[in-house]
Amino acid sequence: QKEVEQDPGPLSVPEGAIVSLNCTYSNSAFQYFMWYRQYSRKGPELLMYTYSSGNKEDGRFTAQVDKSSKYISLFIRDSQPSDSATYLCAKVTGNQFYFGTGTSLTVIP
Amino acid sequence: EAGVVQSPRYKIIEKKQPVAFWCNPISGHNTLYWYLQNLGQGPELLIRYENEEAVDDSQLPKDRFSAERLKGVDSTLKIQPAELGDSAVYLCASKGGGELFFGEGSRLTVL
Repeated sequence: QKEVEQDPGPLSVPEGAIVSLNCTYSNSAFQYFMWYRQYSRKGPELLMYTYSSGNKEDGRFTAQVDKSSKYISLFIRDSQPSDSATYLCAKVTGNQFYFGTGTSLTVIP
Repeated sequence: EAGVVQSPRYKIIEKKQPVAFWCNPISGHNTLYWYLQNLGQGPELLIRYENEEAVDDSQLPKDRFSAERLKGVDSTLKIQPAELGDSAVYLCASKGGGELFFGEGSRLTVL
């Protein structure tokens, strides 16, 4: 079983739409979660991280963790063409980072 | 502050040829990672260093891949001989403040 499973997409949405990106994970003793964004032909960059259950907001982005169902989500409000990228969820345990397969998002103007 | 630097950005070789990738992590970052990223996939760990020690190399195909991190700073990843299936992006990352910082990757094409 993989540490993190991610909905593969691709997703294509009109500008201004709400986007939901989802992953499930297998449990570890101590873990936190990250979302990375990767533009084409670039390395991934950290978008958000969260340690606990519940929501964490940063501007138009909300990261959500549901530990009871082992589900992590990223919501993007008022999506913009500049949000077009691949989004990678990650589970972190100590110095080990486990990545999902990534979801490719295209926001159409 | 300079980010993680990788070179070359692009490399095209014929199968059975050797190839090497170089990574310079962010200054002061002791933990360094090499990841493999195939098209449409997420990064998969090849090897992790703590200073100069390889602490997790279980996913490194040791028959053809080797890595080193002399003096606990720069690192080199080598493939010899390369196979068609090695065509991918090789990402280097270093860890600071709980976060992974990635380089832009080295894109390998094996013909």
